[in-house]
Amino acid sequence: EADIYQTPRYLVIGTGKKITLECSQTMGHDKMYWYQQDPGMELHLIHYSYGVNSTEKGDLSSESTVSRIRTEHFPLTLESARPSHTSQYLCASSETDSGNTIYFGEGSWLTVV
Amino acid sequence: KQEVTQIPAALSVPEGENLVLNCSFTDSAIYNLQWFRQDPGKGLTSLLLIQSSQREQTSGRLNASLDKSSGRSTLYIAASQPGDSATYLCAVRTDNDMRFGAGTRLTVKP
Repeated sequence: EADIYQTPRYLVIGTGKKITLECSQTMGHDKMYWYQQDPGMELHLIHYSYGVNSTEKGDLSSESTVSRIRTEHFPLTLESARPSHTSQYLCASSETDSGNTIYFGEGSWLTVV
Repeated sequence: KQEVTQIPAALSVPEGENLVLNCSFTDSAIYNLQWFRQDPGKGLTSLLLIQSSQREQTSGRLNASLDKSSGRSTLYIAASQPGDSATYLCAVRTDNDMRFGAGTRLTVKP
């Protein structure tokens, strides 16, 4: 069973609010990822990290930002939420070797009203 | 750019049937292919990982095959059960990128 956790699981916030989605893993994985998934749609990579102090943008342009100060944590922040940010955000991690399994958290459902 | 396609988009079968889900990808230069299960409102659970050098992997009632040269993978589910109802996604890994298909939504009727 994967040891990767996301909080909050569900959140409803007002437009313009700042929100941080937390992601932590206890597997010591160097690689971490954030995906965005609208209901019934494909997953899109929005951010990834190869290790501490390393962050990159993914394929899908996102107004969110991420940080990687510690190996275990990879938080995602929206400075000013908008209704278009309503979606499910999935965090994942894997070992450095590209041949390894990727593990996902349970996801964070964000609704911006 | 790698593109991943899953057919069918949705599938409904009676309990007990064997079924096959299909995944195709456009670039054969992959590290591995992974099949996931996603329940409504939940994250993804890894089912099977096939390395690029492998032809198939088995876990219980699940068997996944990989034909890298033709850009295809299949997930075979034997003796389906209502608890198998979920969306099944395949994902291919190339360099530091992972591309997902849109998934096949499976419903197994009792």
